[in-house]
Amino acid sequence: ILNVEQSPQSLHVQEGDSTNFTCSFPSSNFYALHWYRWETAKSPEALFVMTLNGDEKKKGRISATLNTKEGYSYLYIKGSQPEDSATYLCAFVDSWGKLQFGAGTQVVVTP
Amino acid sequence: EAGVTQSPTHLIKTRGQQVTLRCSPISGHTSVYWYQQALGLGLQFLLWYDEGEERNRGNFPPRFSGRQFPNYSSELNVNALELEDSALYLCASSLEGRRGQYFGPGTRLTVT
Repeated sequence: ILNVEQSPQSLHVQEGDSTNFTCSFPSSNFYALHWYRWETAKSPEALFVMTLNGDEKKKGRISATLNTKEGYSYLYIKGSQPEDSATYLCAFVDSWGKLQFGAGTQVVVTP
Repeated sequence: EAGVTQSPTHLIKTRGQQVTLRCSPISGHTSVYWYQQALGLGLQFLLWYDEGEERNRGNFPPRFSGRQFPNYSSELNVNALELEDSALYLCASSLEGRRGQYFGPGTRLTVT
């Protein structure tokens, strides 16, 4: 049963625009929430590991927030560039160390 | 620093056969995770090994098994291959089981 959900499934963004998308996960047995970027023909690359409610992480133009009480995380891309085109995956880690990945949000940035 | 390596890169097997996939983690990493990505589906968690022990497994039948060696490298074995086992198998390693993971390039398995 996949109870880690990401929305939207895909989105198209004009270069220079900002965008955000969501990862929803169970609010119980929470240990950590991971974000990964997966570019075509490459391996997933870790972006953020978030553990505390209210966490905010930033890496360049990409940032993420975490709400463990309500079970969601947002990923933001500011001023999207073509190289941001990828599938962004979130993974919920429970207190037993088991990971569940969401299906991903595919981002396409057009010049 | 060398990344996570996997072998082989591609593999073609016949239904009913057995296959072994290999993974070498980043030096110093003790945890190894295995994932399956079948066509059109997301990453499905298969197995987690840490310090030589199986710590957790996903919702896969027992014909999916593996082990972790003293040097922390790992093997994934799949017995009695079925057509739906055709997928990309990714291995990832981390310093400790629940931290961010570093992924290998994957093994593409095709079952005919």
